[in-house]
Amino acid sequence: DVKVTQSSRYLVKRTGEKVFLECVQDMDHENMFWYRQDPGLGLRLIYFSYDVKMKEKGDIPEGYSVSREKKERFSLILESASTNQTSMYLCATNYRARGYTFGSGTRLTVV
Amino acid sequence: QQQVKQSPQSLIVQKGGISIINCAYENTAFDYFPWYQQFPGKGPALLIAIRPDVSEKKEGRFTISFNKSAKQFSLHIMDSQPGDSATYFCAASMSGNQFYFGTGTSLTVIP
Repeated sequence: DVKVTQSSRYLVKRTGEKVFLECVQDMDHENMFWYRQDPGLGLRLIYFSYDVKMKEKGDIPEGYSVSREKKERFSLILESASTNQTSMYLCATNYRARGYTFGSGTRLTVV
Repeated sequence: QQQVKQSPQSLIVQKGGISIINCAYENTAFDYFPWYQQFPGKGPALLIAIRPDVSEKKEGRFTISFNKSAKQFSLHIMDSQPGDSATYFCAASMSGNQFYFGTGTSLTVIP
């Protein structure tokens, strides 16, 4: 089975800090995604990548950037954290036309 | 704009009863419709999926019903158990790349 590992389960950061969320998958999949999950809003796509050094904006990219230097690693960067970025962040990967495999999520609190 | 609309937001069912969650979509180009199950503190996990060339798919106690003309699909959980208590998300995609999610249904099965 594909394993998707997110480096932190819980993070607390201060407003204005630069925050890095890391995601690693072990199955050499091309496609990787970052979502945020908020009550009543479901999962919203932030950024995605179909290959190394490739990135595409999702539905809510403002305030975020990403990096994909290696196929297995997809990093989400909050350039200057704000309280409205307090959320659960989920990384996912998939292969061709199959469903996603998600990581366990990182619950980020910005104070 | 919500690409996939899900209802109800929450659902309480007696043990042994049938849980039904509904989703609707607009984009007729969607060709893959998965359901995800999420337990607290975990990422969503693929539960069951259907493609629009069939009207129903069953896996154990879980069934997807698909109505292409109405652009609706639903998840039925037969003989619901307390262990089924979780949040359920429907989703849709074109060619299995980017997925669009519903807002989620919190299911509680009471003994």
